[in-house]
Amino acid sequence: KAGVTQTPRYLIKTRGQQVTLSCSPISGHRSVSWYQQTPGQGLQFLFEYFSETQRNKGNFPGRFSGRQFSNSRSEMNVSTLELGDSALYLCASGRASYEQYFGPGTRLTVT
Amino acid sequence: TQLLEQSPQFLSIQEGENLTVYCNSSSVFSSLQWYRQEPGEGPVLLVTVVTGGEVKKLKRLTFQFGDARKDSSLHITAAQPGDTGLYLCAGAEDSDFGNEKLTFGTGTRLTIIP
Repeated sequence: KAGVTQTPRYLIKTRGQQVTLSCSPISGHRSVSWYQQTPGQGLQFLFEYFSETQRNKGNFPGRFSGRQFSNSRSEMNVSTLELGDSALYLCASGRASYEQYFGPGTRLTVT
Repeated sequence: TQLLEQSPQFLSIQEGENLTVYCNSSSVFSSLQWYRQEPGEGPVLLVTVVTGGEVKKLKRLTFQFGDARKDSSLHITAAQPGDTGLYLCAGAEDSDFGNEKLTFGTGTRLTIIP
């Protein structure tokens, strides 16, 4: 069974731009969660989608948004990028919220 | 917001030694998971513990969930260089089944020296 895939793997953007990251979950998994990982803050929960509905949300500003499609694939968008948004963005899928199988992540660098 | 503190934050030991990593919180969790993350990759789930006092073994790794379901430990016997990585604990909040949100710990970066 193929694992969680994320595209792109690496991305460089400049301040003020926006970015869209994509995640394809493991087949059959309806829950997709997004996390931000930085050396200083560790792994922080962004939001979770289940059957196209946002079910849980972390404490991030409205510049961070996401969506899930009917095939369970998910995208997250960050608008008006700031230097502090540089991080590894991880997507995880599972049959339930507590079951997390992670993808390799997208390394975003904001300059 | 529940907080999970892991200790130690960094640990560097010789191959063959034993070690224990701790994960502590003041909150009760319905379940707790341990992950290992290697550079350039996402975390990989090692184990899930659900019952207070539960002990699970995975080869040289022993995981224990505290009786009160507020803390957990990971013990590695005869550490090997392949055990090197970032170890993360994650607790699921007590809520409706299937809708728990995971809170990740601060992480323990383990280095095993050959």
